[in-house]
Amino acid sequence: DQQVKQNSPSLSVQEGRISILNCDYTNSMFDYFLWYKKYPAEGPTFLISISSIKDKNEDGRFTVFLNKSAKHLSLHIVPSQPGDSAVYFCAATSPGTYKYIFGTGTRLKVLA
Amino acid sequence: DTGVSQNPRHKITKRGQNVTFRCDPISEHNRLYWYRQTLGQGPEFLTYFQNEAQLEKSRLLSDRFSAERPKGSFSTLEIQRTEQGDSAMYLCASSVRGSSGTDTQYFGPGTRLTVL
Repeated sequence: DQQVKQNSPSLSVQEGRISILNCDYTNSMFDYFLWYKKYPAEGPTFLISISSIKDKNEDGRFTVFLNKSAKHLSLHIVPSQPGDSAVYFCAATSPGTYKYIFGTGTRLKVLA
Repeated sequence: DTGVSQNPRHKITKRGQNVTFRCDPISEHNRLYWYRQTLGQGPEFLTYFQNEAQLEKSRLLSDRFSAERPKGSFSTLEIQRTEQGDSAMYLCASSVRGSSGTDTQYFGPGTRLTVL
């Protein structure tokens, strides 16, 4: 039962353009969502998060959008840089638990 | 470096042996988590501690797995009688409740286990 889905295993974007990574979820109880970036042989690095009471959160080049009715969130990176090349995971959690449910990841490649 | 640290970074063992991993969380974080990640998958939750109390365990944590956090600081994860299916990256994370009321988990570099 995959409660958090990242349907695009990979994405390639030109340097300077926008990268859009998508994530869908099925559990309407989720109230906190996060994006992590992971380089090979390293642990996930926290990027940005959003609470279900908001529909947008920005931090520098990174913006996360949440559409609760569609159970969909997206991460926008603009402008994309070669150093952004990594695997991106979305994660979600619900009240009453501290465990995160992760998607399977999207590998982003930013081409110079 | 004040992040989450894990030791060892790599462990190769033979099937049937016991292994133990250590996690040192960020010093002021009272919550500690263990996850497991296999190739092509996202991290999967194993267990969670608040201070020294183990408050949640996944059904993935079979009876061969045991985790402790004896003094509410570092934690250990032991796998007994390892099987080839235990080969994975074992990730530790820690968190503390922020001013907004949310917890954000910060991960360590992981321990990669290979069972031959």
